[in-house]
Amino acid sequence: KNQVEQSPQSLIILEGKNCTLQCNYTVSPFSNLRWYKQDTGRGPVSLTIMTFSENTKSNGRYTATLDADTKQSSLHITASQLSDSASYICVVFHNTNAGKSTFGDGTTLTVKP
Amino acid sequence: NAGVTQTPKFRVLKTGQSMTLLCAQDMNHEYMYWYRQDPGMGLRLIHYSVGEGTTAKGEVPDGYNVSRLKKQNFLLGLESAAPSQTSVYFCASSSLAGGSSGANVLTFGAGSRLTVL
Repeated sequence: KNQVEQSPQSLIILEGKNCTLQCNYTVSPFSNLRWYKQDTGRGPVSLTIMTFSENTKSNGRYTATLDADTKQSSLHITASQLSDSASYICVVFHNTNAGKSTFGDGTTLTVKP
Repeated sequence: NAGVTQTPKFRVLKTGQSMTLLCAQDMNHEYMYWYRQDPGMGLRLIHYSVGEGTTAKGEVPDGYNVSRLKKQNFLLGLESAAPSQTSVYFCASSSLAGGSSGANVLTFGAGSRLTVL
């Protein structure tokens, strides 16, 4: 069964601190993995995309890693800001032409001053 | 650019009533999707479309119907609403299938919150 497991379920950190969110998947065949940020009451917005051959990709203070052998990805947030408070969703896309994907349940991050 | 626009943003229905959610995109995307998001659960695909005039079932299609008469619009219909359909519905679109490698990205709407009493 195709699954995407995210951890932790929720996380509270102080402003300025770093944090790492985890995503483990069993999706096969694998095409690519994306991290989305979803602010409360809004739709998800793409942060990064990782393809099979990529190990690390950065987008500002966000750095995503992918280990295709162990089927694990992480999203590292550096120097957190209050605006980073959101749900972070890991999405794994299947290697088909039908646009199929499996969404994780998300990690809710709260950044406190 | 408006991106993906969903209407209405909020709606309250009584059990058995019908309604249609409208999704409109102005990016000339081929692929469009409808998801539902429930507390503590990931987004689940209801139906999707790979082009004008085409539709296909996703993970949780029962109780919903869709139509893609125009490339820019994707309609989600509830013929007889049930309390189990209380959820937040998201529409998304992409220029290519989400499974293709490359820079194609799902662009989501802001969501439509539906409550069925």
